[in-house]
Amino acid sequence: DAGVIQSPRHEVTEMGQEVTLRCKPISGHNSLFWYRQTMMRGLELLIYFNNNVPIDDSGMPEDRFSAKMPNASFSTLKIQPSEPRDSAVYFCASSSGTGYTFGSGTRLTVV
Amino acid sequence: RKEVEQDPGPFNVPEGATVAFNCTYSNSASQSFFWYRQDCRKEPKLLMSVYSSGNEDGRFTAQLNRASQYISLLIRDSKLSDSATYLCVVRYSGAGSYQLTFGKGTKLSVIP
Repeated sequence: DAGVIQSPRHEVTEMGQEVTLRCKPISGHNSLFWYRQTMMRGLELLIYFNNNVPIDDSGMPEDRFSAKMPNASFSTLKIQPSEPRDSAVYFCASSSGTGYTFGSGTRLTVV
Repeated sequence: RKEVEQDPGPFNVPEGATVAFNCTYSNSASQSFFWYRQDCRKEPKLLMSVYSSGNEDGRFTAQLNRASQYISLLIRDSKLSDSATYLCVVRYSGAGSYQLTFGKGTKLSVIP
């Protein structure tokens, strides 16, 4: 099992640019979660999907953030336009109902 | 009020020491409890679940007090490899709800 796969591992972009983060969950897991981690706020849930349907997006900071899950094996988190305060590590995790498995994360730096 | 609170540390302990971390949660509807471990610049990984009767996994012991809404993790005979951040995690009950809420973590450094 390859685990949860995220890409890219690192992203450096200029303020105002669009950023797309990608995630491939573990096959058979029906829940997918996007988290953001910063030193100040720790791990924050942004949005989660169950069976490809968004269930709770109350953690999405503002309209600049959007997430999609077009099928069971792929999800994206998009930030448009990006701002320096979006700099963080973004984790994707998947679950079959018990524990979570996290991807290695995308370290985003917006300059 | 933050839902899951932990002492951020850092806890600096010598090898072989026993160290305990505490965590409190605010939502009494919390259903399941976990400790995750996160190494520097890595993703969080499940260390152990926490059961009402308390449970042990080798050198690690987890305890839950539902009345006080309090969770603890005890590490005996600390090893250098135990150095990491330990995240207290709760899952709330609710229809279709599998989301986990994480504390900000307690950093442990085990010193030779």
